[in-house]
Amino acid sequence: EILMTQSPASLSVSPGEGATLSCRANQSLRDNLAWYQQKPGQPPSLLIYRASSRATGVPARFSASGSGTDFTLTISRLELEDFALYYCQQSDVWPWTFGQGTRLEVK
Amino acid sequence: QVQLVQSGGGLVEPGGSLTLSCVASGFAFSATGMHWARQAPGKGLEWVAFLQFDGRDKVYRESVRGRFTISRDTSNNTLFLHMNSLRPDDTAVYYCVKDNPVLGVWGHGTLVTVSS
Repeated sequence: EILMTQSPASLSVSPGEGATLSCRANQSLRDNLAWYQQKPGQPPSLLIYRASSRATGVPARFSASGSGTDFTLTISRLELEDFALYYCQQSDVWPWTFGQGTRLEVK
Repeated sequence: QVQLVQSGGGLVEPGGSLTLSCVASGFAFSATGMHWARQAPGKGLEWVAFLQFDGRDKVYRESVRGRFTISRDTSNNTLFLHMNSLRPDDTAVYYCVKDNPVLGVWGHGTLVTVSS
């Protein structure tokens, strides 16, 4: 199964600033990479699919890029509601696998 | 809007069985692939199983293959996860998830606890 590695494990940022989260796969995913946000006590919600396409209703301050093995999620001008757990997930090969998550915390 | 309403979780002894249900609304259930995913307490996310849109193809993660079965009742817009030979490491919140794109919409989750 494909191993997904996210970095950093946690990130402390002030509201209004930007944040960059990374995700690396141990083999090429082409562009079959998604990002999810999860808040405490809630199910995950899809942010990005196909490496860079925003899901319906996702604010434009969320952007993503990458292909192959290295991917990035960038959140500009962080709002308080953005502080949460973020997971990347590959859909290139079964079984679909997730990274271990990056926790975005208020500085 | 898309809604996925789950039921069927609970406490079960090791070796026992449980069936999870997920009633879908707001989209063409019979034309959409569906997944189950899970999250152990305090842990990360894990994909469990997939049912193709036409109901023919089913895919499972290795650790549940042969023990879990994903199925659906299109007449009632309901997705199921039949779980047999449950083990303590199956303890998790189980999510029903609509495909397209990828894990597009998640149910609220239902807790399954496997313990004696």
